[in-house]
Amino acid sequence: DAGVTQSPTHLIKTRGQQVTLRCSPKSGHDTVSWYQQALGQGPQFIFQYYEEEERQRGNFPDRFSGHQFPNYSSELNVNALLLGDSALYLCASSFPGARFEELFFGSGTQLSVL
Amino acid sequence: TQLLEQSPQFLSIQEGENLTVYCNSSSVFSSLQWYRQEPGEGPVLLVTVVTGGEVKKLKRLTFQFGDARKDSSLHITAAQPGDTGLYLCAGAEYNNNDMRFGAGTRLTVKP
Repeated sequence: DAGVTQSPTHLIKTRGQQVTLRCSPKSGHDTVSWYQQALGQGPQFIFQYYEEEERQRGNFPDRFSGHQFPNYSSELNVNALLLGDSALYLCASSFPGARFEELFFGSGTQLSVL
Repeated sequence: TQLLEQSPQFLSIQEGENLTVYCNSSSVFSSLQWYRQEPGEGPVLLVTVVTGGEVKKLKRLTFQFGDARKDSSLHITAAQPGDTGLYLCAGAEYNNNDMRFGAGTRLTVKP
C-alpha cells in the first residue's frame, strides 16, 4: 500500500518564476492538505482540498493556488516566486469520515528560490 | 504569534535520561496530536488525544491532554538515541478542518 508520494523531491528556481508541485494521497484517502515548512519551523497550513474544492485556506497570498483531480491527487502552484518561498513543501492526506483528522505526510519537496 | 507554543525549543540529553516537552495555547482544541519528524522526511503521527485529562502511553512515551483542552505534554522515559528528532504538536480548533502546528522541540539523545 503506497503512502503519500510527492514530486519532485528537490527543485531550484529563480525569483519571479512559477512552480508546480505534485502529490498523490495514500490509497483510500480523499482529502489533501498542503503545508510549508521553513527551516527550523513547524509546518504552516496553506490550504486543504476535498472533493476537488478548496475547503479551507491558511494565511498565504493568492500567489499560492492549488487543484485536486478526480483521482484525489493534488497540485500546488506558486507564482512570482520570492526568496522567502524557499522551504520544504509537505503534502498530507487524511482518511475520509474520520472523527478526528489524522494526517499522513509525504517526504516533501524541497524548494530553493535563488 | 504561534497558535501553539512548544517548549523547550531545543533539548540535548544523555541516553537513559527522562524528559518532558510541552505544548501550550490559549485556544481550546477538539483534538491534539503529536508527531515526530526526522531530517528529510515528513512528520509521522505518534498519538491523538481527544478528551480533557486524557493520558495515553506508547511504550516509553506518555502523552497527556490538559483538563481544559488547551495544552499537552509528552514525557519520554529512558530516552534512546533513536528518539532523536523534531517533536511537533498540532491542534484542531472547533469548526476548523485543518491541523495547526507548533514550531516543535528538537530533541537530541546522545549515546
